[in-house]
Amino acid sequence: QQPVQSPQAVILREGEDAVINCSSSKALYSVHWYRQKHGEAPVFLMILLKGGEQKGHEKISASFNEKKQQSSLYLTASQLSYSGTYFCGTEWQTSGSRLTFGEGTQLTVNP
Amino acid sequence: EPEVTQTPSHQVTQMGQEVILRCVPISNHLYFYWYRQILGQKVEFLVSFYNNEISEKSEIFDDQFSVERPDGSNFTLKIRSTKLEDSAMYFCASSSREWRQFFGPGTRLTVL
Repeated sequence: QQPVQSPQAVILREGEDAVINCSSSKALYSVHWYRQKHGEAPVFLMILLKGGEQKGHEKISASFNEKKQQSSLYLTASQLSYSGTYFCGTEWQTSGSRLTFGEGTQLTVNP
Repeated sequence: EPEVTQTPSHQVTQMGQEVILRCVPISNHLYFYWYRQILGQKVEFLVSFYNNEISEKSEIFDDQFSVERPDGSNFTLKIRSTKLEDSAMYFCASSSREWRQFFGPGTRLTVL
């Protein structure tokens, strides 16, 4: 069962904010967020663990709601370099297990 | 930052041929993975490897696929008889006990 990401695509003007959601119908152990640019490998952004706190990385942060089994990725004051496809990868067991990825959210930041 | 490396970057093969994709995981990592991504689609899990054996595999990883860690550094994925639908980007990843999976740059496999 793959996680469900929303929205599928979002277009922003530079400086605007966005939220990308990742939901699971199954209890999660962790959520990993990656950004992928066309033709490149996924680049790790951050990991949220069950029972963990909100994480942040520059102007990109994320939260993990255990009750809802949902993670949200927050991009604030977006930059052109934020463009790409954002994937959440979920683990249902302890560390070292497979990541199951969502379909991705395509983010385009325009000048 | 440490890196996972993969060779070749692009492999072109004829249908029915065997291919071996190679990966060098980060040296102190314990868990190794192969994922694939068909053009324009999401990343899909193939197999995970820990303690010199497969720990988990997906339904995609059928008898045509095998993995090996022939020495202390390389991790390989073999496809015995390639099909057209095996054309994809194949990513190797590795992790330690700190959960983050480091992805390699990928090998683009084209089956003609």
